[in-house]
Amino acid sequence: EPEVTQTPSHQVTQMGQEVILRCVPISNHLYFYWYRQILGQKVEFLVSFYNNEISEKSEIFDDQFSVERPDGSNFTLKIRSTKLEDSAMYFCASSRYRGPNQPQHFGDGTRLSIL
Amino acid sequence: KNEVEQSPQNLTAQEGEFITINCSYSVGISALHWLQQHPGGGIVSLFMLSSGKKKHGRLIATINIQEKHSSLHITASHPRDSAVYICAVWDTDKLIFGTGTRLQVFP
Repeated sequence: EPEVTQTPSHQVTQMGQEVILRCVPISNHLYFYWYRQILGQKVEFLVSFYNNEISEKSEIFDDQFSVERPDGSNFTLKIRSTKLEDSAMYFCASSRYRGPNQPQHFGDGTRLSIL
Repeated sequence: KNEVEQSPQNLTAQEGEFITINCSYSVGISALHWLQQHPGGGIVSLFMLSSGKKKHGRLIATINIQEKHSSLHITASHPRDSAVYICAVWDTDKLIFGTGTRLQVFP
């Protein structure tokens, strides 16, 4: 069964450095999402992306965050100048169609640790 | 903004027991999702509900739109059911997640 893949599984970065988290969504999916989960807390929405544009973003997704679909297969989340509070598990998800009854397929996540 | 609450936060059971996890939300929705998060962190979609009831194997999910409440039931629980179960509601273009229920099933 096709799946969403995320790399790396664990990223350790110094505070202030840039980090890029990578995702390969399921190939025929059109809608892409990033969520994050701070340790011990609930999963939070960051951003949704469709047709090479951001559809919606949360208050968390400020100017230090950006997303890109550079080559038709990868979907990346960039954090420009990381802070300690960016430490979290970041999940990529994709769906074929948009709507309340469309399943979102999640990757296994990237654990980001900021030192 | 929709607030999604789950209860209980933690649940332990003996193998074979019937499990119920509850989810309530504050604003009317189009659909509610139940997901399972494995100990390693991966998230898997279990159900999407707009009304009534759905069954998949030993899992049953129900939703009451008027009461803004959903339940996930596991019949004949097994240690491999141990995971975090999360409900999430669809809001415009994203999922809003509940806090999750950590289930441990002992042999």
